[in-house]
Amino acid sequence: AQSVTQLGSHVSVSEGALVLLRCNYSSSVPPYLFWYVQYPNQGLQLLLKYTSAATLVKGINGFEAEFKKSETSFHLTKPSAHMSDAAEYFCAVSDPNTGFQKLVFGTGTRLLVSP
Amino acid sequence: DAGVIQSPRHEVTEMGQEVTLRCKPISGHDYLFWYRQTMMRGLELLIYFNNNVPIDDSGMPEDRFSAKMPNASFSTLKIQPSEPRDSAVYFCASSPQLGSPAKNIQYFGAGTRLSVL
Repeated sequence: AQSVTQLGSHVSVSEGALVLLRCNYSSSVPPYLFWYVQYPNQGLQLLLKYTSAATLVKGINGFEAEFKKSETSFHLTKPSAHMSDAAEYFCAVSDPNTGFQKLVFGTGTRLLVSP
Repeated sequence: DAGVIQSPRHEVTEMGQEVTLRCKPISGHDYLFWYRQTMMRGLELLIYFNNNVPIDDSGMPEDRFSAKMPNASFSTLKIQPSEPRDSAVYFCASSPQLGSPAKNIQYFGAGTRLSVL
């Protein structure tokens, strides 16, 4: 069964610092991987997705993620954090048995950005 | 498009009462998902539909929960009777068909915050 593990329930950075949120996946077949962001009192919205094309995926708001098969990782990065990046971030893997429609989410990482 | 619309945004009810949550997916989307989010269990998929047909309801906690999708533009999640442990944020999401360029992307509503006293 597909699963993702997000290391660190909370990550704190200073404004302008590098953001690194970690995600490792487990999948029996080449996966589709996603990062979603949730701002307070809102639903999740897609940041970026990997669907077996380029291994470096660029998303919205300056975020990017690199698919590394050898490490089974899909870490999310942003070179310079902004206060508005404070939110909860979810990594997800899709289930190929459902035509990649069903997503399995990680437990989330809350990003805190200090001035 | 207005996005996925959920109502109500907040619901406070007493234990034993029936609760109905509503969802209007994005027009043209073939898939609809119901999730529950709690601090303890994170984001859980309850059920999902394809073309109004329930495909996988293995995440529905128990018989007190039921979901319907009578047409392509409307779905309900019902809890009867409600219990305090049902308190959570319930999200609805929709996704386009497999042939769409945006396939596999789920678009979430703003959620319904349910409090059962």
